[in-house]
This record gives sequence, structure tokens and C-alpha cells, in this order.
Amino acid sequence: GNSVTQMEGPVTLSEEAFLTINCTYTATGYPSLFWYVQYPGEGLQLLLKATKADDKGSNKGFEATYRKETTSFHLEKGSVQVSDSAVYFCALSGSSASKIIFGSGTRLSIRP
Amino acid sequence: NAGVTQTPKFQVLKTGQSMTLQCAQDMNHNSMYWYRQDPGMGLRLIYYSASEGTTDKGEVPNGYNVSRLNKREFSLRLESAAPSQTSVYFCASSRDSYYEQYFGPGTRLTVT
Repeated sequence: GNSVTQMEGPVTLSEEAFLTINCTYTATGYPSLFWYVQYPGEGLQLLLKATKADDKGSNKGFEATYRKETTSFHLEKGSVQVSDSAVYFCALSGSSASKIIFGSGTRLSIRP
Repeated sequence: NAGVTQTPKFQVLKTGQSMTLQCAQDMNHNSMYWYRQDPGMGLRLIYYSASEGTTDKGEVPNGYNVSRLNKREFSLRLESAAPSQTSVYFCASSRDSYYEQYFGPGTRLTVT
């Protein structure tokens, strides 16, 4: 079945550091891929998405590229800020009959 | 547009009490979902409704019931609350089951 595996946290970085959070997936066919962010005390928000191979999703300085050859969708940001401290979830949706499947989440903390 | 709204925001119950969590969306979405999120853990799907008039169990349905009242509203009922149901509950909706989901702000439930 479909599944998502993402980097275990917590991840702690200093402000302005480069961020990578790894996400790999297993799926049949051609899934859509998503990154969600959850700030403290809030619900999840869609951060970015990609619907086909080689697509790059981007938002708020974050980027992720849909790599079918490595079944990956790693989240990157060139210079993180304290305000990026949150939990990040990778997710995928498969065929039209399936629901979105979420990874277990990666907690990111940014030190000033 | 309010998006996805949930009531109440906070609730404290005694063991054995019942309550209903309410969820509504104004995006004309077909699919709706209930998740629970425990401290330090990811999301677990309780129930979902792929379309008006249908509901299906997720991975942790025991102790819960749902009603898809109409296209906008999807409620979650705890018939006899237990301490193990202490959690944060999120409602979400999506255009269809394989599209990105939009989340409400959550209900923080404590069962003593």
C-alpha cells in the first residue's frame, strides 16, 4: 500500500541555516505530494504541493521537488527564521479512490 | 470565507459523559475527515466521509460515531468518554478524497 516516511525529529537549527527535511514515499501510479506545516496550537496548513514528476512546489521560501526516480519529496529552505519553528508533515494522495496519507511529522526548532 | 470551523475549542469531560464535536466547511467540499493528534504523535484518522451520505472508518474508530449531516457539516460523537480519548481533534475537508485537505483549528478535549 501507499506510505510516507519522513525524517525523524526533532531538528534544531540556528537562524539563517539551510534546512532539509527528508521525505520518501511508496505508491503505485502517480501520486500527488504535499507538505503541511503545523504551528504551535494550530491546525495543519498546506505549505506546498506537486502533482507530477519533476514539479517543484514552493511557498514562503520553502521548496520541494517531486523526484520519481528516487521516490522523494524533500523540503528545503535556504535561510530559516525563528518563525519557521513548527511541525512539518509530508503527505501523498494516490489514485482517485484513495485518501491522503500523512507522514509522522518532523518537529523543527530554530534558535535565534 | 471561514474555511473549516470547529466547536468547541476546548472541552473537559468526566469519564462516561458524552459529547458531540461539530465541524462545518464553507468551501463546497465533497469529502470531510476527523483526526486525532496525541502529544508528540502524528495524525490518526478516526472516520471520514468521501461524499455526502457516506461515512467510513479510519484507523482508530472505536469509541466514536460520526454523522454527515449535510454537505457542509460533519460531526463526531463520543458516546461514553474515556481518559484514552484525551486528545486534540481536527476536522478537515477536501474537494474530493485525493485532493489537498484543509484543516480546522482543532478541539482540545480532556477526559478526567
